[in-house]
Amino acid sequence: EVQLVESGGGLVQPGGSLRLSCAVSGFSFSSYWMSWVRQAPGKGLEWVANIKQDGSEIYSVDSVKGRFTVSRDNAKNSLYLQMNSLRVEDTAVYYCARGSTGVWGKGTTVTVSS
Amino acid sequence: EIVLTQSPATLSLSPGERATLSCRASQSIGSYLDWYQLKPGQAPRLLISTASNRATGIPARFSGSGSGTDFTLTISSLEPEDFAVYYCQHRSNWPWTFGQGTKVEIK
Repeated sequence: EVQLVESGGGLVQPGGSLRLSCAVSGFSFSSYWMSWVRQAPGKGLEWVANIKQDGSEIYSVDSVKGRFTVSRDNAKNSLYLQMNSLRVEDTAVYYCARGSTGVWGKGTTVTVSS
Repeated sequence: EIVLTQSPATLSLSPGERATLSCRASQSIGSYLDWYQLKPGQAPRLLISTASNRATGIPARFSGSGSGTDFTLTISSLEPEDFAVYYCQHRSNWPWTFGQGTKVEIK
C-alpha cells in the first residue's frame, strides 16, 4: 500500500524553526519527484517546493526562498522540509505529495504564533 | 508567474444537476492542468490530470477538457459526495500555482 506520512508539525513562535518529515512506503521513493504543498486556514492551496529524484534539482516558491529548504534521503525513503525564520503567514497544513501523481499524505499542521 | 482564475466562485446546485467549472490561465499552459477536489479535513484528491485524463478510481461523471488558456471541469450529475471545493492547478513551469477554487454547494 502506498503511504506518505508527515510528521514534525506543531506550534512555534515567529522567527522559530521546524523540520517536517515525510516517511514513504509502498513505492520506489527514489524514482519520483517529491513535493510539499500547503493550505493556510480558510485559504487556498500553495505548491511550496519540488525536489528531483536525486535531489539535483529543487524548486521553491518565492514566499519561502531563503527560509525553507527541501531535501530527501533515498536510503531512508524520507522527504524533509526545514523551515527557518517562520512567519505567522506560514501557518498551514503541510502536505507531502508524490509529485503530480495524485498521491498525498494526510498532512501535518504548523502553527506560527506568539 | 501564471495566474489561474476560476469561475464561478460558488456554484449552487441540486443533486443530479450538471456542474460546469471554469479555469482560465493568464498565458498558455498547453495541457498541463490538473483538477483537485478538497473536502474539510482531507488531503486534496486528484480528479483530472493533464486537462482531460481521469485519475485512478475517479468516477466517469467527472470529465475535463480544454487546452491553452481555457479549461473546464464537468460533473455530469452531482452526487451528494461531490459537494466540495474544486481547484485547478498548472504544472507548465515553475512556480506551479492553483486557482482560487470553486465551491460547489447544495442549493
